[in-house]
Formats: sequence, C-alpha cells, structure tokens
Amino acid sequence: DIVMTQSPDSLAVSLGERATINCKSGQSVLYTSNNKNYLAWYQQKPGQPPKLLIYWASTRESGVPDRFSGSGSGTDFTLTISSLQAEDVAIYYCQQYYSTPYTFGQGTKLEIK
Amino acid sequence: QLQLQESGPGLLKPSETLSLTCTVSGGSISGRSYYWGWTRQPPGKGLEWIASIYYAGNTYYNPSLRSRVTISVDTSRNQFSLRLSSVTAADTAIYYCAKEHYDILTGQRTTSDIWGQGTLVTVSS
Repeated sequence: DIVMTQSPDSLAVSLGERATINCKSGQSVLYTSNNKNYLAWYQQKPGQPPKLLIYWASTRESGVPDRFSGSGSGTDFTLTISSLQAEDVAIYYCQQYYSTPYTFGQGTKLEIK
Repeated sequence: QLQLQESGPGLLKPSETLSLTCTVSGGSISGRSYYWGWTRQPPGKGLEWIASIYYAGNTYYNPSLRSRVTISVDTSRNQFSLRLSSVTAADTAIYYCAKEHYDILTGQRTTSDIWGQGTLVTVSS
C-alpha cells in the first residue's frame, strides 16, 4: 500500500491569510506514460461526506473556488488556500489513486486563528 | 443530478454480517464511465477505501478487508451493495458510497466526485 502522510496534523490561520497543507506519498504517484500525478485533495466539513476539491494534483473540480490550488509532483504535494474564508474550516485529506488500494492521508484540521 | 443514498442496519452485534445498499438516483448505474465504491470512516478518524464495482461486475477490493468483504451490483434496481462478515467493534464507522470516475481508454479508476451522506454502523454487544 502507498502510505500518505500529511503535515501538519492541524493548522490555525487568520481569515484572509494563506493556508498551506502538505502531503507526502510513500512512492511516486506520477505516471510517466501520461505525465499525470494521481493525487487528489478532499475537504470534509463536520457531519458531511468528503468533497472533491482537486484531482491530477492541480486541477480544480468544477465549482471549487480559485483560492484553492494544488501543486507538486512525484511524492510531494501541497494544497494552498490563498485567502482563508470562514467556510474553509474543515479537515483536508489527500488521496492517491495511483494504485489499489487507494489510500488517504490522515487528514489536516484547518481552523481559524 | 446524480444522488447516492446509503441504507442498512445501524447496529450490529460482534460476529454478525454488515449489509449495506447504495441507491443511485438521477442517473443510471450502468454508465460506462463510472465505478461505484464504498469508503468508511471510524468516528473521529480518517478515511479507508473498502471496495469498488463496475456495472458489469468488475471489482476491486482493499486487501486488508478482502477476506470479509463482498461488493455487488443490481443494475435493475440501480443499486450496489456491500457485505462485511464477522464484524467487530473495529468495524464501527460511517460507511459512505460514492461514484468514481473511470477512464475507459486507460482502464483506470480515479477520483470519487459524488458521495452519499453516509450511514453510521455501530458494532456492539
């Protein structure tokens, strides 16, 4: 199984400030045949299912605000929220879909400072 | 608009078999570009993918649960189901069903873009 490790476990950021969450995979999730990173980011608010934010490491899902961006390649990835809004309080998970079983990071809890 | 809804017993005793059904509405479960999967989340913990199935019956399982899990699909009812045998307290979790993208050309499943609201299953004597 590919182990996904996120950092930090929790993060407190002031409204309007930048939030950065990191994700590291135990092996590369880059398919060299198509040059795509098989890495997604999900947002989960209390009492709700996960919501897909980003796939292919940097492609925003339809309807996701452009303050959310993803970057990275190979084994190291980052989710950035450029200007934190109150509605962004949630737990964020990275997921690799490079190989079965698909695995998630342990989650990063994002709060308002 | 496609929607998924989980259903099944919320309380089980140890050693019993968990049976859940996901009903797909607003679209066909027989879409060639989709897989259908189950993921679970113990209370206050992270996400664990369990299994996925194609309308034609092709399946993928998490090896850590494979010996106890069966996923099936009923296209006539637009439903897919999960069975998990010999449950213990460690199987207590919110169980989510979800739609996965499937690239027909590459044969690759990718992300889950539509999820059910989840159903809490508690295992307790």
